[in-house]
Amino acid sequence: GAGVSQSPSNKVTEKGKDVELRCDPISGHTALYWYRQSLGQGLEFLIYFQGNSAPDKSGLPSDRFSAERTGGSVSTLTIQRTQQEDSAVYLCASSSRSGSKTGELFFGEGSRLTVL
Amino acid sequence: GNSVTQMEGPVTLSEEAFLTINCTYTATGYPSLFWYVQYPGEGLQLLLKATKADDKGSNKGFEATYRKETTSFHLEKGSVQVSDSAVYFCALEYGNKLVFGAGTILRVKS
Repeated sequence: GAGVSQSPSNKVTEKGKDVELRCDPISGHTALYWYRQSLGQGLEFLIYFQGNSAPDKSGLPSDRFSAERTGGSVSTLTIQRTQQEDSAVYLCASSSRSGSKTGELFFGEGSRLTVL
Repeated sequence: GNSVTQMEGPVTLSEEAFLTINCTYTATGYPSLFWYVQYPGEGLQLLLKATKADDKGSNKGFEATYRKETTSFHLEKGSVQVSDSAVYFCALEYGNKLVFGAGTILRVKS
């Protein structure tokens, strides 16, 4: 597609359930990022992929959070045993990163997660 | 650590008013600096950037100058329009990623 695509756009789940959020980056973009946007908290970095590897996963808040990327394309963010504090908008971004420079990030519209 | 602090919003202005959104940063070295904008119902998009001290980024009538003396990258526009209503995020490049501020909501009324 022309832009970064995320699904689902909205997800309501019960506390304790697992959720999967999907990101389809811009074709050819080697770098992929996940951020979390909470009310009044700005954008919180979660994880960075270069190809299928994740050289920086320092932002994952706990071991309930994991992410993978396959084929250098689609990425899935999984949250196990969801808690109410996981409620947020999860944003995915991709870039044609070159060398050490991050480059321009292209963001999807996000997946809004509500944990009841 | 490396961080960005933005002025709190919301900022409410009348059309054609002058806009300033303050952004200051804490960083080792001189990272690239960015302003991203999130229009209602859309994803964040790059508005402008500056890669070194004294650089001025500009786009769509918005400007920001990289000031290393004051560690600032304030966003300005001479005459805002209703269509500029959005959330504005200041960010710096740190390692492999961008570090964002909390965002400032701008509301422009006609």
